[in-house]
Amino acid sequence: KAGVTQTPRYLIKTRGQQVTLSCSPISGHRSVSWYQQTPGQGLQFLFEYFSETQRNKGNFPGRFSGRQFSNSRSEMNVSTLELGDSALYLCASSLEGRTEAFFGQGTRLTVV
Amino acid sequence: AQKVTQAQTEISVVEKEDVTLDCVYETRDTTYYLFWYKQPPSGELVFLIRRNSFDEQNEISGRYSWNFQKSTSSFNFTITASQVVDSAVYFCALSDASGGSYIPTFGRGTSLIVHP
Repeated sequence: KAGVTQTPRYLIKTRGQQVTLSCSPISGHRSVSWYQQTPGQGLQFLFEYFSETQRNKGNFPGRFSGRQFSNSRSEMNVSTLELGDSALYLCASSLEGRTEAFFGQGTRLTVV
Repeated sequence: AQKVTQAQTEISVVEKEDVTLDCVYETRDTTYYLFWYKQPPSGELVFLIRRNSFDEQNEISGRYSWNFQKSTSSFNFTITASQVVDSAVYFCALSDASGGSYIPTFGRGTSLIVHP
């Protein structure tokens, strides 16, 4: 069974640009969560999607948004990039009713 | 509010040594779940174990063992006879079922370096 796949693995963007990251969950997993990981703040929850609906949201500005498609694939978008958005963005999927989440390898975003 | 504290930022050991990673948590919920994840240099978090708040049995899986003590709100992780491949950042996490889903709160992680 394929694991969680995130694309691209690496991105370099300029301040003010926007970026879209993609996540394909494990087959059969309908819950997809996104996390931002930085050395200063650690792992922080961004949002969770289930059945194309945002079910939970972390404490991030509105520049961070996401969506989920009918096949459970998810995208997150960051608009008007700031230097502080440089981070490893991790996606995780889980089965409904299960507590453990399975993570992808992440997308490392560098904003210059 | 939930909180997970991993006081050890970095631990350095020599191969074959035993090492224990500490995790202390805070929650007001009576039903909750505790996790350990491993993050190798490749970046992905690898799920290692889940424990629910009603099951205080310790668990052993090969060289890994976990000690869950509700009385001290701790969920410690021991690696016996460490190997170089164990070098990684280890995260402890806590979640409950609020909002219908299990969003974990992670500790800051402990970086384990195993020297040959």
